[in-house]
Parts: sequence; structure tokens; C-alpha cells
Amino acid sequence: DIVLMQSPGTLSLSPGERATLSCRASQSVRNNYLAWYQQKPGQAPRLLIYGASSRATGIPDRFSASGSGTDFTLTISRLEPEDFAVYYCQEYGSSLVFTFGPGTKVDIK
Amino acid sequence: EVQLVESGGGLVQPGGSLRLSCEASGFTFRSQYLSWVRQAPGKGLEWVANIYPDGRETYYADSVRGRFTISRDNAKNSLFLQMNSLRAEDTALYFCARELIVGPAEYFQNWGQGTLVIVSS
Repeated sequence: DIVLMQSPGTLSLSPGERATLSCRASQSVRNNYLAWYQQKPGQAPRLLIYGASSRATGIPDRFSASGSGTDFTLTISRLEPEDFAVYYCQEYGSSLVFTFGPGTKVDIK
Repeated sequence: EVQLVESGGGLVQPGGSLRLSCEASGFTFRSQYLSWVRQAPGKGLEWVANIYPDGRETYYADSVRGRFTISRDNAKNSLFLQMNSLRAEDTALYFCARELIVGPAEYFQNWGQGTLVIVSS
């Protein structure tokens, strides 16, 4: 089974700064079927990105993502106060199962 | 507005059973793929199971296969998760999720707020 690794574990930044989050897979992600989610404390996750680079409905354009194969990146161009949260990547595999990465916490420096 | 409301969580002893429910509104339930995703306290997300629109196809994570059963009632806009032989490691917040289908790929588009299951003696 595929394993997703996210780095860094915690990213400490100030509002207005750029955040770059990494998701690395143990094997190639089928057809780049990769998503990113944001989760704030006490809330359900929110879909940000699907298909490695497509923004979900209502997601601001400061969120962008790229990558293919085994290496994927989520970028937040300028951090807003509401962006401090945990971010998860998720892959949909050929065996019709879903795998999440362990998450990256973006907190206020 | 899409709404997913989970219920049925609680405290159960190891080896016991529990049935979770998810009531949905704001979309055409009978045509949607649905999943259960869980999150242990302070931990990350783990997909549990999903079910196709007509209920005929279901898939499970290895950690729950043979113990959990996902089902749905399209007439009542409801999703269920029957959990048997519960273990301490099943303790988690269980989310119901509506999937986004993009070609052959599936993602989790909408989520409920979750229902907490605690397995402890």
C-alpha cells in the first residue's frame, strides 16, 4: 500500500508569509489522484485541492498546488489569520482505498 | 446547503457493537458516493469505508474489514456504519463524508461534524 509522508511536521510562520507544504508518496500516485484538506481545531476537514492542482469550490486563489508522481506541494501565497490549521494530503489508489498523510500543522510564529 | 449529521456514538466496552447513522440533506442522496472517515483523539485522518450510490459496492480499510459494515437507505437519505467487535483502537471521531467524483477518482467534498466513539472498559 502507498504511504504518504508530509513535511515539515510543523511550519511556524507569520501572517502574510508564504507557506510551502510537501507531500511525498512511497510510490507514484495513480494519475495524480491527490487531494489536500484543511482542518481547524474542533472542525471537520475542508477539501482545498483535488486532482493535485484543481481548487475546490469556494477556495481562495491564494491556495495553489502542484506536483506529480511522488512529489506534491501545497502553497499558500500569503497567510491569512484563518489559514493557521492542519493540512492533510490524501491519495485515491488503484485498490480503491484512500490514504491520508499524517498532516502538517501551520501555526503562528 | 449540504448537511451531514452523524449520530449514534458513545461509550462501549471492548468487544461490543455500535451503529452510527448519518442523515443527509441538501443534495440528491441516491446518486452520491459516501464514506466514513475517522480521527482518533489528537491524531490524523483514517478512511474507514465507502459505499456506491446503489449500495451494491462497498469497500473497507484493512483495519475494519470483517468487523464493520457500511450501508445506506436511499429512501431515508441515511448512511450507516455497523461496528462490531470493537477495540480500543477504534476510539475516534467518526465523520460521514460525501464524495466528489472526478473521472475515476474520489475525494471527500463535504463532511459532517462527527460522532465520537469511545471503546473502553
